[in-house]
Amino acid sequence: EAQVTQNPRYLITVTGKKLTVTCSQNMNHEYMSWYRQDPGLGLRQIYYSMNVEVTDKGDVPEGYKVSRKEKRNFPLILESPSPNQTSLYFCASSLHGTDTQYFGPGTRLTVL
Amino acid sequence: GDSVTQMEGPVTLSEEAFLTINCTYTATGYPSLFWYVQYPGEGLQLLLKATKADDKGSNKGFEATYRKETTSFHLEKGSVQVSDSAVYFCALSAGAGGTSYGKLTFGQGTILTVHP
Repeated sequence: EAQVTQNPRYLITVTGKKLTVTCSQNMNHEYMSWYRQDPGLGLRQIYYSMNVEVTDKGDVPEGYKVSRKEKRNFPLILESPSPNQTSLYFCASSLHGTDTQYFGPGTRLTVL
Repeated sequence: GDSVTQMEGPVTLSEEAFLTINCTYTATGYPSLFWYVQYPGEGLQLLLKATKADDKGSNKGFEATYRKETTSFHLEKGSVQVSDSAVYFCALSAGAGGTSYGKLTFGQGTILTVHP
């Protein structure tokens, strides 16, 4: 089944404790992206990747890192999480950036 | 920059009522327009899309027409069901080139609740 998977689905952590949210797709898509969803703001793009080893900032990249060492994986790294990063995070992928994007199920992160 | 504005919610309807969720956008060039739906506890699913002016996207009884003259992409359904209860997001993609490559710009979302 074609899908985008994220892990973990739920995470509660404390300020400053490094964490990684994984994202994997099995559709051989070149384009992958991370969004955060906050009430009243819709979804905002954090980072995106056009292909392996090619990443760039979205609208809200501060406090986040990403890497794209393999085509299928695009982890989101929070080196020192803060409470304002409490949010619902979605990974998305598409064959190319201009194609329909498929979203993962989301990761709900709480930073205390 | 690009932006999407959706009608204020939440929207509460009775089953079989007519649904309209307004969406207007601001963008340079010729964006593609989308409606995504998010059911409780799930990720976003593409509902329908339109890639050029006057295109009509349709799926599951939902329709939206790309109106360049009014920069709008309103979502409509003639008869809603309880199972349509979800959050609906209007979005645009500016297309290839530049720093916005592939980025979806979303509206704030509209919560729809349908009662039996």
